[in-house]
Amino acid sequence: KQEVTQIPAALSVPEGENLVLNCSFTDSAIYNLQWFRQDPGKGLTSLLLIQSSQREQTSGRLNASLDKSSGRSTLYIAASQPGDSATYLCAVKRNNNDMRFGAGTRLTVKP
Amino acid sequence: ETGVTQSPTHLIKTRGQQVTLRCSSQSGHNTVSWYQQALGQGPQFIFQYYREEENGRGNFPPRFSGLQFPNYSSELNVNALELDDSALYLCASSAPGQGKNEQFFGPGTRLTVL
Repeated sequence: KQEVTQIPAALSVPEGENLVLNCSFTDSAIYNLQWFRQDPGKGLTSLLLIQSSQREQTSGRLNASLDKSSGRSTLYIAASQPGDSATYLCAVKRNNNDMRFGAGTRLTVKP
Repeated sequence: ETGVTQSPTHLIKTRGQQVTLRCSSQSGHNTVSWYQQALGQGPQFIFQYYREEENGRGNFPPRFSGLQFPNYSSELNVNALELDDSALYLCASSAPGQGKNEQFFGPGTRLTVL
């Protein structure tokens, strides 16, 4: 059974700091891994999608890496801004269409 | 391009009642997935619909059922509501047949069961 864990559960950093969010999964037989952002009480916004054959994806200040063999992914946020404050979720998709989410990391960027 | 929409935004029901939630997929997307997100947790996969048929299901009882229509919109029906069904219900659309596996989520429906 696929288990997805995100560490830390919460993170508070000053504006401008670079930071790394971690995601680990127990079953390396994944189809893809996706990182999302969720603002309180809202839906999910897709940030980056990494296919199982890829090692990383970049979008603006965001960079996500994937190491299938070790069951790990990281989301790197450069030069953090108060507007980056949100909960960040990672999710792994298996071939049976089941997408498993971690519980998320709640990020606060202080001005 | 129209994004994923869901209705209603909020809903309050009592135990034992039935509820229907609706989702319109993003333009060009033929696959819809439904998720339940309890407070402080990540979303949990309920089921997925592709070409009007269920195409994968998570660990939810049969009182959670769904439909997909020819225009790819979808409904989630929950019978015999329980207090623990209180959650944010999210739908997501994608187009895996076109090599587009990225899931795009709607804003969610907040269901409260009293």
